[in-house]
Amino acid sequence: GAVVSQHPSWVICKSGTSVKIECRSLDFQATTMFWYRQFPKQSLMLMATSNEGSKATYEQGVEKDKFLINHASLTLSTLTVTSAHPEDSSFYICSAMQGNSNQPQHFGDGTRLSIL
Amino acid sequence: GQNIDQPTEMTATEGAIVQINCTYQTSGFNGLFWYQQHAGEAPTFLSYNVLDGLEEKGRFSSFLSRSKGYSYLLLKELQMKDSASYLCAVRDRTGANNLFFGTGTRLTVIP
Repeated sequence: GAVVSQHPSWVICKSGTSVKIECRSLDFQATTMFWYRQFPKQSLMLMATSNEGSKATYEQGVEKDKFLINHASLTLSTLTVTSAHPEDSSFYICSAMQGNSNQPQHFGDGTRLSIL
Repeated sequence: GQNIDQPTEMTATEGAIVQINCTYQTSGFNGLFWYQQHAGEAPTFLSYNVLDGLEEKGRFSSFLSRSKGYSYLLLKELQMKDSASYLCAVRDRTGANNLFFGTGTRLTVIP
């Protein structure tokens, strides 16, 4: 149980393109979903937290107009990187949590984004 | 804020036991998690501690001391496939119960 699917797994696109990444909880309803970014050999950095039906909460330093998050249902959250540039190239990982804070976060397989 | 420290790299021999330490400072501690992450993959959940003591799950055990701000992950009977990064993450209630990750410990298991 507790499977989180993330799509696509790999994106290569030109600078200026907008890229949408989907995160789905397949066998549970996720009250909260999280978006992380990870640069090579570094740890996961939380970008934002989203709850179904409400606006995402962004971490300090993360541009909400550049990284658009939509959490339309209890099983789906999307991250759109708008007008992506080479410095946005990174490994983006979503996670989902069911229920209260005693539950672990379950991670998707990640999306490797490369902007040329 | 949160301050989470773990060793950057460790090497151990197949079949041996290895202990990966994690120290943390946080104002609203609400649980500590250990995750395993293979290169280029997403983290997978290993263990969760919220009370002091040892949690055992097969070859993996995790210990927590809240008064010392200290945890360790113990891996027994090491296998080559255990080569991975091990991430210590602290949940902080003052941070909306979000997880804050350490930089991870890259474990290399050698024959």
